[in-house]
Amino acid sequence: EPEVTQTPSHQVTQMGQEVILRCVPISNHLYFYWYRQILGQKVEFLVSFYNNEISEKSEIFDDQFSVERPDGSNFTLKIRSTKLEDSAMYFCASQGEYEQYFGPGTRLTVT
Amino acid sequence: KNEVEQSPQNLTAQEGEFITINCSYSVGISALHWLQQHPGGGIVSLFMLSSGKKKHGRLIATINIQEKHSSLHITASHPRDSAVYICAYNTDKLIFGTGTRLQVFP
Repeated sequence: EPEVTQTPSHQVTQMGQEVILRCVPISNHLYFYWYRQILGQKVEFLVSFYNNEISEKSEIFDDQFSVERPDGSNFTLKIRSTKLEDSAMYFCASQGEYEQYFGPGTRLTVT
Repeated sequence: KNEVEQSPQNLTAQEGEFITINCSYSVGISALHWLQQHPGGGIVSLFMLSSGKKKHGRLIATINIQEKHSSLHITASHPRDSAVYICAYNTDKLIFGTGTRLQVFP
Protein backbone atom coordinates (compact mmCIF):
# COMPACT_ATOMS: atom_id res chain seq x y z
CA GLU A 1 0.00 0.00 0.00
CA PRO A 2 1.44 3.42 -0.89
CA GLU A 3 2.50 5.57 2.02
CA VAL A 4 3.85 8.99 2.83
CA THR A 5 7.43 8.93 4.08
CA GLN A 6 9.33 11.56 6.02
CA THR A 7 12.99 12.06 6.82
CA PRO A 8 14.63 12.42 9.21
CA SER A 9 12.56 10.86 11.96
CA HIS A 10 14.29 13.04 14.54
CA GLN A 11 16.31 16.22 14.04
CA VAL A 12 18.17 18.08 16.74
CA THR A 13 19.41 21.54 15.86
CA GLN A 14 20.71 24.63 17.57
CA MET A 15 18.69 27.82 17.75
CA GLY A 16 19.30 29.99 14.69
CA GLN A 17 20.22 27.11 12.41
CA GLU A 18 18.36 26.24 9.23
CA VAL A 19 16.57 22.89 8.96
CA ILE A 20 14.97 21.13 6.04
CA LEU A 21 12.35 18.49 6.69
CA ARG A 22 11.69 16.13 3.82
CA CYS A 23 8.57 14.30 2.72
CA VAL A 24 7.77 11.98 -0.14
CA PRO A 25 4.01 12.11 -0.74
CA ILE A 26 2.01 9.40 -2.43
CA SER A 27 2.89 9.59 -6.08
CA ASN A 28 -0.45 10.33 -7.72
CA HIS A 29 -1.62 12.81 -5.09
CA LEU A 30 -1.90 16.48 -5.96
CA TYR A 31 -2.45 18.23 -2.62
CA PHE A 32 0.23 18.38 0.04
CA TYR A 33 0.22 19.68 3.57
CA TRP A 34 2.48 20.37 6.51
CA TYR A 35 1.12 20.24 10.04
CA ARG A 36 2.86 20.55 13.36
CA GLN A 37 2.14 19.35 16.86
CA ILE A 38 3.85 20.92 19.84
CA LEU A 39 4.23 18.41 22.65
CA GLY A 40 0.97 18.05 24.56
CA GLN A 41 -1.00 20.24 22.16
CA LYS A 42 -3.28 19.61 19.22
CA VAL A 43 -2.17 19.26 15.63
CA GLU A 44 -2.07 22.59 13.78
CA PHE A 45 -2.17 23.37 10.09
CA LEU A 46 0.88 25.12 8.66
CA VAL A 47 0.56 25.19 4.89
CA SER A 48 -1.08 23.56 1.90
CA PHE A 49 0.49 23.21 -1.53
CA TYR A 50 -1.11 22.55 -4.88
CA ASN A 51 0.08 22.89 -8.44
CA ASN A 52 3.55 23.94 -7.32
CA GLU A 53 2.43 26.81 -5.20
CA ILE A 54 1.13 27.54 -1.72
CA SER A 55 -2.66 27.45 -1.68
CA GLU A 56 -3.13 28.43 1.95
CA LYS A 57 -0.96 29.13 4.97
CA SER A 58 -1.61 29.73 8.64
CA GLU A 59 -0.44 32.57 10.85
CA ILE A 60 2.28 30.26 12.13
CA PHE A 61 3.79 30.01 8.66
CA ASP A 62 5.75 33.25 8.68
CA ASP A 63 8.75 34.38 6.63
CA GLN A 64 10.98 31.91 8.44
CA PHE A 65 9.14 29.01 6.77
CA SER A 66 9.14 27.95 3.15
CA VAL A 67 8.01 24.92 1.20
CA GLU A 68 9.18 23.50 -2.05
CA ARG A 69 8.61 20.58 -4.36
CA PRO A 70 12.00 20.59 -6.01
CA ASP A 71 11.88 17.48 -8.14
CA GLY A 72 8.30 16.29 -8.50
CA SER A 73 8.59 13.71 -5.74
CA ASN A 74 10.00 15.36 -2.61
CA PHE A 75 8.07 17.99 -0.66
CA THR A 76 10.22 19.96 1.75
CA LEU A 77 9.63 22.33 4.66
CA LYS A 78 12.47 24.71 5.45
CA ILE A 79 12.82 26.71 8.62
CA ARG A 80 15.45 29.38 8.03
CA SER A 81 16.44 30.32 11.55
CA THR A 82 15.00 27.98 14.13
CA LYS A 83 13.66 29.15 17.46
CA LEU A 84 13.12 27.17 20.63
CA GLU A 85 9.38 27.33 20.06
CA ASP A 86 9.76 25.54 16.71
CA SER A 87 10.39 22.34 18.66
CA ALA A 88 7.51 20.08 17.65
CA MET A 89 6.49 17.07 15.63
CA TYR A 90 6.06 17.99 11.98
CA PHE A 91 3.71 15.93 9.86
CA CYS A 92 3.49 15.89 6.11
CA ALA A 93 0.25 14.75 4.48
CA SER A 94 -0.89 14.19 0.94
CA GLN A 95 -4.43 14.01 -0.31
CA GLY A 96 -5.93 11.94 -3.04
CA GLU A 97 -9.55 12.31 -3.98
CA TYR A 98 -10.87 12.66 -0.44
CA GLU A 99 -8.67 11.47 2.39
CA GLN A 100 -5.39 12.80 3.69
CA TYR A 101 -2.61 10.34 4.35
CA PHE A 102 -0.07 11.28 6.98
CA GLY A 103 3.61 10.58 7.15
CA PRO A 104 5.14 9.26 10.39
CA GLY A 105 6.40 12.71 11.36
CA THR A 106 9.74 14.36 12.07
CA ARG A 107 10.44 15.28 15.66
CA LEU A 108 12.34 18.58 15.63
CA THR A 109 14.18 19.56 18.79
CA VAL A 110 15.71 23.03 18.92
CA THR A 111 18.26 23.57 21.69
CA LYS B 1 -11.94 29.54 20.51
CA ASN B 2 -11.65 25.87 19.69
CA GLU B 3 -13.71 25.07 16.63
CA VAL B 4 -13.71 21.34 17.36
CA GLU B 5 -14.58 20.06 20.81
CA GLN B 6 -14.04 16.50 21.89
CA SER B 7 -15.22 14.68 24.98
CA PRO B 8 -14.04 13.18 27.10
CA GLN B 9 -10.44 14.38 27.09
CA ASN B 10 -9.30 11.23 28.84
CA LEU B 11 -10.95 7.84 28.96
CA THR B 12 -9.98 4.70 30.82
CA ALA B 13 -11.68 1.39 30.10
CA GLN B 14 -11.41 -2.28 30.89
CA GLU B 15 -10.84 -4.65 28.02
CA GLY B 16 -14.13 -5.58 26.39
CA GLU B 17 -15.96 -2.38 27.23
CA PHE B 18 -17.90 -0.36 24.67
CA ILE B 19 -16.26 3.04 24.11
CA THR B 20 -17.84 6.24 22.85
CA ILE B 21 -15.93 9.40 21.98
CA ASN B 22 -17.84 12.52 21.00
CA CYS B 23 -16.97 15.40 18.70
CA SER B 24 -18.82 18.68 18.20
CA TYR B 25 -17.94 21.39 15.76
CA SER B 26 -19.18 24.88 15.19
CA VAL B 27 -19.24 25.41 11.43
CA GLY B 28 -20.99 23.82 8.49
CA ILE B 29 -18.75 21.16 7.00
CA SER B 30 -18.76 18.72 4.15
CA ALA B 31 -16.75 15.96 5.83
CA LEU B 32 -15.33 14.95 9.15
CA HIS B 33 -12.34 12.74 9.85
CA TRP B 34 -11.54 10.46 12.73
CA LEU B 35 -7.84 9.87 13.21
CA GLN B 36 -5.82 7.70 15.55
CA GLN B 37 -2.50 8.86 16.97
CA HIS B 38 -0.30 6.18 18.40
CA PRO B 39 1.99 6.70 21.41
CA GLY B 40 4.93 7.02 19.02
CA GLY B 41 3.23 9.98 17.36
CA GLY B 42 2.13 8.56 14.00
CA ILE B 43 -1.32 9.54 12.72
CA VAL B 44 -3.60 7.10 10.93
CA SER B 45 -6.84 8.03 9.24
CA LEU B 46 -9.70 5.86 10.50
CA PHE B 47 -12.75 7.33 8.82
CA MET B 48 -13.87 10.16 6.64
CA LEU B 49 -17.61 10.64 6.67
CA SER B 50 -20.08 13.18 5.46
CA SER B 51 -23.34 11.55 6.53
CA GLY B 52 -24.76 8.60 8.39
CA LYS B 53 -22.54 5.86 9.66
CA LYS B 54 -19.43 3.92 8.71
CA LYS B 55 -18.08 0.70 10.18
CA HIS B 56 -14.64 -0.82 10.00
CA GLY B 57 -14.07 -3.87 12.13
CA ARG B 58 -14.80 -2.94 15.73
CA LEU B 59 -14.90 0.78 14.96
CA ILE B 60 -18.09 2.64 14.11
CA ALA B 61 -18.34 6.34 13.28
CA THR B 62 -21.54 8.30 13.04
CA ILE B 63 -22.25 11.88 12.09
CA ASN B 64 -25.25 14.19 12.33
CA ILE B 65 -24.54 17.09 10.02
CA GLN B 66 -27.54 19.15 11.20
CA GLU B 67 -26.52 18.86 14.86
CA LYS B 68 -22.81 19.29 14.04
CA HIS B 69 -21.93 16.21 16.05
CA SER B 70 -20.06 12.99 15.45
CA SER B 71 -19.27 9.96 17.56
CA LEU B 72 -16.66 7.25 17.37
CA HIS B 73 -17.54 3.93 18.97
CA ILE B 74 -15.24 1.04 19.72
CA THR B 75 -16.88 -2.28 20.45
CA ALA B 76 -15.13 -4.96 22.53
CA SER B 77 -12.22 -2.64 23.33
CA HIS B 78 -8.72 -4.08 23.54
CA PRO B 79 -5.47 -2.76 25.04
CA ARG B 80 -4.12 -2.26 21.53
CA ASP B 81 -6.86 0.35 21.02
CA SER B 82 -5.01 2.57 23.50
CA ALA B 83 -4.18 5.75 21.59
CA VAL B 84 -5.30 9.33 21.14
CA TYR B 85 -8.38 9.64 18.95
CA ILE B 86 -8.76 12.92 17.09
CA CYS B 87 -11.63 14.32 15.09
CA ALA B 88 -10.93 16.90 12.42
CA TYR B 89 -13.03 18.64 9.86
CA ASN B 90 -12.04 19.41 6.35
CA THR B 91 -12.13 22.82 4.75
CA ASP B 92 -9.14 23.36 2.48
CA LYS B 93 -7.13 21.95 5.36
CA LEU B 94 -7.86 19.88 8.43
CA ILE B 95 -8.94 21.62 11.62
CA PHE B 96 -8.17 19.32 14.51
CA GLY B 97 -9.77 18.70 17.86
CA THR B 98 -7.64 18.34 20.95
CA GLY B 99 -8.01 14.58 21.00
CA THR B 100 -9.29 11.99 23.44
CA ARG B 101 -6.66 9.88 25.16
CA LEU B 102 -7.96 6.32 25.54
CA GLN B 103 -6.33 3.72 27.76
CA VAL B 104 -7.71 0.21 27.74
CA PHE B 105 -6.51 -2.08 30.51
CA PRO B 106 -6.54 -5.87 30.37
